[in-house]
Amino acid sequence: GIQVEQSPPDLILQEGANSTLRCNFSDSVNNLQWFHQNPWGQLINLFYIPSGTKQNGRLSATTVATERYSLLYISSSQTTDSGVYFCGGQEGSARQLTFGSGTQLTVLP
Amino acid sequence: DTGVSQNPRHKITKRGQNVTFRCDPISEHNRLYWYRQTLGQGPEFLTYFQNEAQLEKSRLLSDRFSAERPKGSFSTLEIQRTEQGDSAMYLCASSLSGTSGGWFFGPGTRLTVL
Repeated sequence: GIQVEQSPPDLILQEGANSTLRCNFSDSVNNLQWFHQNPWGQLINLFYIPSGTKQNGRLSATTVATERYSLLYISSSQTTDSGVYFCGGQEGSARQLTFGSGTQLTVLP
Repeated sequence: DTGVSQNPRHKITKRGQNVTFRCDPISEHNRLYWYRQTLGQGPEFLTYFQNEAQLEKSRLLSDRFSAERPKGSFSTLEIQRTEQGDSAMYLCASSLSGTSGGWFFGPGTRLTVL
């Protein structure tokens, strides 16, 4: 199966700073999505981003499918952005998403 | 629609007992997925339903685990003869076939096996 590598594993920022999270896939994937896991454990869908760039407020995501990676940008970070960010993708005809180990983001006030 | 719901939210059980979790997906979603997550790891796929049919199971899924989706709506995940290694967060997600993206997760059931 595909391997999903996320970096960095941990990131600590001061409020107001910007950050970039990266997701590398070992093979081509479909249905690439980014999620934020809140402190209570629920995964919240941020982006469906198989290719190109999307923006939603202070968050944006870019996927370069030919090079098998995706980036999540967080600008002007807030303490509520803290949590774990996961990317996931579907391999071939598989229906399930395969996830990375996540990036633990801590935003300090 | 209030999204995907899961019950119970927390379950503490003794080793050897059976437990059952329930997932109610978004009503129009025909695909339902179960995942398990342990501390510091990403969600790990367990099984997948399209309508009432269980179409895929992880090879990692022990025979002690069984899942059903009898009418293509809610789903149950049962773990028999629980072991301490089963302690984890169990996550359910749903999506609609024919669309891309749009996975929605429930709040999860945290299982602790003593």
